[in-house]
Amino acid sequence: GAVVSQHPSRVICKSGTSVKIECRSLDFQATTMFWYRQFPKQSLMLMATSNEGSKATYEQGVEKDKFLINHASLTLSTLTVTSAHPEDSSFYICSAKSTSGGYNEQFFGPGTRLTVL
Amino acid sequence: TQLLEQSPQFLSIQEGENLTVYCNSSSVFSSLQWYRQEPGEGPVLLVTVVTGGEVKKLKRLTFQFGDARKDSSLHITAAQPGDTGLYLCAGALYSGYALNFGKGTSLLVTP
Repeated sequence: GAVVSQHPSRVICKSGTSVKIECRSLDFQATTMFWYRQFPKQSLMLMATSNEGSKATYEQGVEKDKFLINHASLTLSTLTVTSAHPEDSSFYICSAKSTSGGYNEQFFGPGTRLTVL
Repeated sequence: TQLLEQSPQFLSIQEGENLTVYCNSSSVFSSLQWYRQEPGEGPVLLVTVVTGGEVKKLKRLTFQFGDARKDSSLHITAAQPGDTGLYLCAGALYSGYALNFGKGTSLLVTP
């Protein structure tokens, strides 16, 4: 149980294009999903908290217009990197918190490696 | 501001040795989780501790939550090469809030 998937697992795009990353909770409902960014050999940096049916809450320093987050259902959240640039290249990871789970346990997706040329 | 300080940041040991990773904070956490992450993959939840003084065991891994719920430790007995990975502690100040992650401990166990 508690499986989270991400798609795509790897994407390479040209500078200026937009990229959408999907995060799905496969066997549970998630009212809250989180998006993280991770640079090589570093820990996870929280980008935003996504609540189903409402606007995402972004962390300080994260551009809302650049990283568009949509959480349209209890099993799906999407992150769109708009007008991507090389500095946006990173490992993006989502996590989901079960509606029935306690103690803030989050279950993570396998991550998406974004490379912007 | 880094709420959770993890140490050591890097650890390279030989198979069979024991090790302890520490996660410290000046803040009180409602719960604390330990995750293990392998390169190119997402973190995998190892354990959640919620009660001050709590000790949980997962095979050769022993997790402890401090009495004041401000710190935690992960002890691995007789480490194996398969234990290699990035170990992350994470805690939530309040129930339902986002997790704060430590910087991680990169463990390498050589045969």
